[in-house]
Amino acid sequence: EEELVESGGGLEQPGGSLRLSCAASGFTLSDYAMSWVRQAPGKGLEWLSGDSGSGTRAYYADSVKGRFTISRDNSKNTLYLQLNSLGAEDTATYYCAKYFYGSGSYRDAFAVWGQGTVVTV
Amino acid sequence: QSALTQPASVSGSPGQSITISCTGSSSNIGSFILISWYRQDPGKAPKLLLYEGAKRPSGVSTRFSGSQSGNTASLTISGIQADDEADYYCCSYGGDSTFVFGSGTRVSVI
Repeated sequence: EEELVESGGGLEQPGGSLRLSCAASGFTLSDYAMSWVRQAPGKGLEWLSGDSGSGTRAYYADSVKGRFTISRDNSKNTLYLQLNSLGAEDTATYYCAKYFYGSGSYRDAFAVWGQGTVVTV
Repeated sequence: QSALTQPASVSGSPGQSITISCTGSSSNIGSFILISWYRQDPGKAPKLLLYEGAKRPSGVSTRFSGSQSGNTASLTISGIQADDEADYYCCSYGGDSTFVFGSGTRVSVI
């Protein structure tokens, strides 16, 4: 069974940094592009960032461009999201998600989600 | 990254059909970009309901169906049941490997 498990959330001061991890199992991470999505308390879903299966390409929402960085270690089957210059507006549950087709293209959708990790700033 | 607008809430009686709209623009839904739909129960991660506008992943009930016309996509839940109460989100490709979610709709069964 495909599974994603996020970790690394916690309480951080404004201006601080955190690195979130997403451990993948049940599939080969390098075969799939991945994304990060967040949800502020009582609010809707917000797509933040995506990458390519090789990890050589990265894409960001305007709201986090320049502050957040997506990366991965395919040898560890783990996806990361580095959060810098945190502000109160970054308080949210952060989810990693696996694309249905694996490419992050116009046809794609988010097929598998982790349980989320909570970041409080 | 253009926004997708959904009604804040939709309600129906058990057994009825309800439809949730997702209004975009000529840069997403109107450009034949195919929408995905998600269900989210309180305190849980979202779950994929439909992809490419109307396709159901394995295990998703046939009571969930989707369509798109012009700048609007729709999710229809047929024969709604009490356990259909949840938040529902649409999502569109935003170009350059980015995505945008709709504002979300709370479904109530009254």
